[in-house]
Amino acid sequence: GAGVSQTPSNKVTEKGKYVELRCDPISGHTALYWYRQSLGQGPEFLIYFQGTGAADDSGLPNDRFFAVRPEGSVSTLKIQRTERGDSAVYLCASSQDGQGLYGYTFGSGTRLTVV
Amino acid sequence: DQQVKQNSPSLSVQEGRISILNCDYTNSMFDYFLWYKKYPAEGPTFLISISSIKDKNEDGRFTVFLNKSAKHLSLHIVPSQPGDSAVYFCAARGDHNTGNQFYFGTGTSLTVIP
Repeated sequence: GAGVSQTPSNKVTEKGKYVELRCDPISGHTALYWYRQSLGQGPEFLIYFQGTGAADDSGLPNDRFFAVRPEGSVSTLKIQRTERGDSAVYLCASSQDGQGLYGYTFGSGTRLTVV
Repeated sequence: DQQVKQNSPSLSVQEGRISILNCDYTNSMFDYFLWYKKYPAEGPTFLISISSIKDKNEDGRFTVFLNKSAKHLSLHIVPSQPGDSAVYFCAARGDHNTGNQFYFGTGTSLTVIP
């Protein structure tokens, strides 16, 4: 597609449930990133993929968070046993290279609300 | 600990005047800086960047200045237009250990008054 697509755009879930957030990057972009933006904050790094592999997952807050990119294109961010503190906008971005020298292209995000 | 700071949460400017958005950082190893613009319900879009080997980069109405000794950068928009009204984030690329990450500030909401 022309841009980075994220689905769903909004997700409301109950505390303790499992959620999956999907990202469809720009075709041909090998680098894919997940960021999280809490209210009143800037985006915070979660994980970076180069191709199929997670090259840097140091931003994942704990082991309830996991992300995959099995075929090097679409990525899924998975959150187990959701907590109210997980409520945020989850942003996906992609780029042609892993250096970010021309900025990333971000999707519109998935707004996750844990009630 | 916030490594990139934007201390002004909001700024209002008259159309046609200059908008100056400021950003400070703490890590002297940051080597690349970007500004993003964000409209409501959309993801941030890349605006302009600067490498640490430069002190100025210009693109049309947008100029970014970098003062490495002060660990400060600024974005100048001149002349400001109503369509520039948005939240602006500065971001810094991580050091050799975290070079795939960008650290974002908390954003400055710019309102350009017609």
